[in-house]
Amino acid sequence: AQSVTQPDIHITVSEGASLELRCNYSYGATPYLFWYVQSPGQGLQLLLKYFSGDTLVQGIKGFEAEFKRSQSSFNLRKPSVHWSDAAEYFCAVSPTSNTGKLIFGQGTTLQVKP
Amino acid sequence: GAGVSQSPSNKVTEKGKDVELRCDPISGHTALYWYRQSLGQGLEFLIYFQGNSAPDKSGLPSDRFSAERTGGSVSTLTIQRTQQEDSAVYLCASSPKPRVSVEQYFGPGTRLTVT
Repeated sequence: AQSVTQPDIHITVSEGASLELRCNYSYGATPYLFWYVQSPGQGLQLLLKYFSGDTLVQGIKGFEAEFKRSQSSFNLRKPSVHWSDAAEYFCAVSPTSNTGKLIFGQGTTLQVKP
Repeated sequence: GAGVSQSPSNKVTEKGKDVELRCDPISGHTALYWYRQSLGQGLEFLIYFQGNSAPDKSGLPSDRFSAERTGGSVSTLTIQRTQQEDSAVYLCASSPKPRVSVEQYFGPGTRLTVT
């Protein structure tokens, strides 16, 4: 069965520092991969997605992610974190192309130090 | 325009009671999804509706859970004989088409507490 693992439950970075959130997936074929963000009291918002093509994808709010098939990873990065990036981040995979059903990782909570 | 709305925003119920959670998707969106967010389990898919097709119920955790979507719009998730482990935030999402390439828009969720 498809699964998504986010190894880091909680990460703290200083404002202005770079960020990398890890995501590993288990899936036989080329997966459809997503990163969502959930700010306190807010709904889930799509940051970026990967379906095919260029393995480095750009998203909103200055985020990017790189798909590495050999490592079954889809890590999220940001070169300089802002205090407003403090939130919970979810990696997700969709097992099929024709339903959109999402399987989520456990989430990583990001804390930003001033 | 209006996003996905869910009601109530919070619900506290006693163990053994039935509850109904409502989702109003974005107008014109044909696909509707329910997810559950709980401590220790993360975000789990529950059920998916697409038009008049039979729903994908593969994520429902037990037969105490059911959902319907009337007229291709509003959806209700019903939990019968609630248990404490049902305490969670229940999220609804909708999308214009049931395709992975089409973004899902999430509602703010209903926080259910079973005492």
